[in-house]
Amino acid sequence: DAGITQSPRHKVTETGTPVTLRCHQTENHRYMYWYRQDPGHGLRLIHYSYGVKDTDKGEVSDGYSVSRSKTEDFLLTLESATSSQTSVYFCAISDRTGGGETQYFGPGTRLLVL
Amino acid sequence: DAKTTQPNSMESNEEEPVHLPCNHSTISGTDYIHWYRQLPSQGPEYVIHGLTSNVNNRMASLAIAEDRKSSTLILHRATLRDAAVYYCILKNYGNTGKLIFGQGTTLQVKP
Repeated sequence: DAGITQSPRHKVTETGTPVTLRCHQTENHRYMYWYRQDPGHGLRLIHYSYGVKDTDKGEVSDGYSVSRSKTEDFLLTLESATSSQTSVYFCAISDRTGGGETQYFGPGTRLLVL
Repeated sequence: DAKTTQPNSMESNEEEPVHLPCNHSTISGTDYIHWYRQLPSQGPEYVIHGLTSNVNNRMASLAIAEDRKSSTLILHRATLRDAAVYYCILKNYGNTGKLIFGQGTTLQVKP
């Protein structure tokens, strides 16, 4: 199994508070991704990174920011959490892009915003 | 990105083969066909991928139609552990690496 951990695994927070989720990898892969998964929507890409300090938006990036100061860590921040951000968040990594590239997913973080 | 169409759900008996279909009639010549699966309460897991030829690995086989407008994921002998949501995804070599997940097929395996 690819070495990907996510922390925390579960979090309950209140509307309006900032929240940071961490994805940590031990594979030295260049590319990292944050997805969210909601009933009826499948997984949707929030942000991704193609190197240290290099990030870009995905399809549902509003209300989220990311940072990657070192290869192994990719942080997802909800600046002011809202109930619509209650979801399961998955981090993924890959060592390259391209049609044949494979992504490896972390175990997920369940976030509940009250 | 080209779209895929999968049945919402399928059932199988344990130890029997399972054929999971996927239609992708707008596939382009450079799109790879990927399959991922997601077991309950876990992150998605890579299963197999291919471009034109049929592919086999330890988990499954991928049969690709000659016109590439459809494909079939084959689990040769389903086990209870194979009960999951299976996603068929098209991925182009030119994109950023993101995976676009549809609703997938929920596979139930009966003992």
